[in-house]
Amino acid sequence: KTQVEQSPQSLVVRQGENCVLQCNYSVTPDNHLRWFKQDTGKGLVSLTVLVHENDKTSNGRYSATLDKDAKHSTLHITATLLDDTATYICVVGDRGSALGRLHFGAGTQLIVIP
Amino acid sequence: EAAVTQSPRNKVTVTGGNVTLSCRQTNSHNYMYWYRQDTGHGLRLIHYSYGAGNLQIGDVPDGYKATRTTQEDFFLLLELASPSQTSLYFCASSSGTANSDYTFGSGTRLLVI
Repeated sequence: KTQVEQSPQSLVVRQGENCVLQCNYSVTPDNHLRWFKQDTGKGLVSLTVLVHENDKTSNGRYSATLDKDAKHSTLHITATLLDDTATYICVVGDRGSALGRLHFGAGTQLIVIP
Repeated sequence: EAAVTQSPRNKVTVTGGNVTLSCRQTNSHNYMYWYRQDTGHGLRLIHYSYGAGNLQIGDVPDGYKATRTTQEDFFLLLELASPSQTSLYFCASSSGTANSDYTFGSGTRLLVI
């Protein structure tokens, strides 16, 4: 059973618009949550990591929230650019060390059009 | 610049063939991982290692062997490749804590015909 569900599966926005990507998970325990960006045919690049209950992070035009009670995270992208076209992957770690597992969502494919 | 480098970038082999995927990291990380990525699935962990000579079994290890020869080098071996192993393979490294860098290679696309 998939433990990390992302929505929407795909999203098309116009350049300059804002968008919100959702991540719901059932992983227990949930030590931390990461958002990655994956350009087509490329590796994953970490955007942010959230660790604590009600964490909020900001990295340029990317901002993220984590609600551990609801097991839910959002990734906000402000004023999208064409280069934001990519797959965004939510990953939940069940331990604070590498002895734990990372649980990957299948990703949200974002397409930014002119 | 610290990095994870995978080779080859693309590989085609026949069913029953022998394939080795290579990964080298210059991050001085202790942990290295091999994942496969298939359409509609999240990345799935095949094997990982926390140092030279160490090997840990991941979540989908069947049909794969791995070897960590040095801190920098981690290899994935498919000794009898099957079409079900057609996939995009990623190597990653990390220092192993929640807030640590987690660096991925660019991937190796393997086609087994």
